[in-house]
Amino acid sequence: ELKVEQNPLFLSMQEGKNYTIYCNYSTTSDRLYWYRQDPGKSLESLFVLLSNGAVKQEGRLMASLDTKARLSTLHITAAVHDLSATYFCAVDEGGNTPLVFGKGTRLSVIA
Amino acid sequence: NAGVTQTPKFQVLKTGQSMTLQCAQDMNHEYMSWYRQDPGMGLRLIHYSVGAGITDQGEVPNGYNVSRSTTEDFPLRLLSAAPSQTSVYFCASSYSIPAPGPEAFFGQGTRLTVV
Repeated sequence: ELKVEQNPLFLSMQEGKNYTIYCNYSTTSDRLYWYRQDPGKSLESLFVLLSNGAVKQEGRLMASLDTKARLSTLHITAAVHDLSATYFCAVDEGGNTPLVFGKGTRLSVIA
Repeated sequence: NAGVTQTPKFQVLKTGQSMTLQCAQDMNHEYMSWYRQDPGMGLRLIHYSVGAGITDQGEVPNGYNVSRSTTEDFPLRLLSAAPSQTSVYFCASSYSIPAPGPEAFFGQGTRLTVV
């Protein structure tokens, strides 16, 4: 059974600081996704990582995937208030297998 | 381009009532799924479908039924609502592999309260 664990679950960080969110998963999948959710809203796709060593960047966020370690990271550079949200990673095992989500990391960026 | 449309956005049910949550997508995606989101639990899969006429159970299927008669629609039925089904429900769709853009697209959610 595929399990996905994120840490930390809660993160309060100051504006301008850097931090990393970790996503571990239990199978040999090479398909990992990061989503953002604002309070009361739906999920928005941030990154799709489909191979070992994949790295994608968008603004102050950078995601990477190490399939051998079964680990993905979401790195936040010089945080700003607008990044406050809940971030989810999700994994599937390819084919027609469903997405399995981590419990999410609630990020709060404070001045 | 509407994407994934869920209705209703909010619903209050009494214990024992039944209802159907609607989900429609206009992207010709084969894959559709229903999740529920509860505080501290992330998103848990209820049911999913890999194409018209094909459905399968997810992690938490009890108390819910689905059908997939068309590619576009994937309704979720609560047969006899219970307070434990109070949650936010999300419908998602995506292409199957191989295809471009494998990420799932989510509807806006249905906030359901069972009293």
